[in-house]
Amino acid sequence: EAGVAQSPRYKIIEKRQSVAFWCNPISGHATLYWYQQILGQGPKLLIQFQNNGVVDDSQLPKDRFSAERLKGVDSTLKIQPAKLEDSAVYLCASSPDSTYEQYFGPGTRLTVT
Amino acid sequence: DAKTTQPTSMDCAEGRAANLPCNHSTISGNEYVYWYRQIHSQGPQYIIHGLKNNETNEMASLIITEDRKSSTLILPHATLRDTAVYYCIVGNTGNTPLVFGKGTRLSVIA
Repeated sequence: EAGVAQSPRYKIIEKRQSVAFWCNPISGHATLYWYQQILGQGPKLLIQFQNNGVVDDSQLPKDRFSAERLKGVDSTLKIQPAKLEDSAVYLCASSPDSTYEQYFGPGTRLTVT
Repeated sequence: DAKTTQPTSMDCAEGRAANLPCNHSTISGNEYVYWYRQIHSQGPQYIIHGLKNNETNEMASLIITEDRKSSTLILPHATLRDTAVYYCIVGNTGNTPLVFGKGTRLSVIA
């Protein structure tokens, strides 16, 4: 079974620029999550989708971050404009239902200079 | 905030059992204990979960105390590939999010 795919794996941008990350979850998984992991810390949930609807986006900085999941499959996470403190690994995960057995992708490492 | 307390780091000799403790003294009756691990430069990987009874799968065993206030993840024969950060998480199934703490950094030494 193919795992969660993410791209790009690495991205370096300057502050105030915009960036987008893409995630393709495991086929058939209804729930999709985006996490932010700052160096030395555990992942922090940014947003959770159930099919193409948002379940939880309480920790998403909505003034600069946006996410969508079109047709309940792929998802994109965008940051505009980026700040230095956005430097982190952005992880996408999916699960067949809203459980704690989540499957994570390899992540995108973002560096903002 | 994470509802668990774990040691920052542990060492284990290769081939020996690794016992990773977790304290979750405020766990409520319908909350599960979940364990994930994160190998360097990879996303977290689900290991095991339990409610009250001890659980075992091909990766590990989970021992939960009778009062459910603490648990231990056991890797029976640790290998170098088990070197990772191990996260203990408590919560309900459903739409409540995973809340990761800082975990325990396990180093398996040859």
